[in-house]
Amino acid sequence: DADVTQTPRNRITKTGKRIMLECSQTKGHDRMYWYRQDPGLGLRLIYYSFDVKDINKGEISDGYSVSRQAQAKFSLSLESAIPNQTALYFCATQGRDMVRNEQFFGPGTRLTVL
Amino acid sequence: GNSVTQMEGPVTLSEEAFLTINCTYTATGYPSLFWYVQYPGEGLQLLLKATKADDKGSNKGFEATYRKETTSFHLEKGSVQVSDSAVYFCALLSGSARQLTFGSGTQLTVLP
Repeated sequence: DADVTQTPRNRITKTGKRIMLECSQTKGHDRMYWYRQDPGLGLRLIYYSFDVKDINKGEISDGYSVSRQAQAKFSLSLESAIPNQTALYFCATQGRDMVRNEQFFGPGTRLTVL
Repeated sequence: GNSVTQMEGPVTLSEEAFLTINCTYTATGYPSLFWYVQYPGEGLQLLLKATKADDKGSNKGFEATYRKETTSFHLEKGSVQVSDSAVYFCALLSGSARQLTFGSGTQLTVLP
């Protein structure tokens, strides 16, 4: 089984709809991240969490919210989706030593907002 | 603030060609540097890293040397294979930063 799973893998929705992307991990890591990937822009950090009670905004948090339901689960919500939120979304996890421990990425969720 | 600049792609090479993907950075303090690779349809995975000046990271035939004097961490491979076709991301972690800073990624296509 994959260490970091994301659901759904693909989603098409309409402007104004509420969408939730889910991430689960079995690595036992405290740290979890949500990124979006757009062509030519690399990965941009949306939110990150260092434990269940520690949630932080990243570079592009506007229009998004998150919930850390448990150490293993970190969900990303789009309260009212808009077309420029069409992107590939990745969840990642990491151990506490950020230099010694790499980030492990999920397979991604491709979201299209019409 | 911290930033990473990668050479623009896409890069197309023939099998067994030499590969260089340039990466330069701006950071406070003494960052750790990373190369991540994204194969088609997958998430990113760590390829190699270097944590101090003059360190060389290596993995799967790829190498990169941390050059503090030129603030660079260029990725090289002597002989690429079709299976190396992927997007490559340079990234840094600086000082007390709580997050990685990624470059924009470089698409590599290797033709047989």
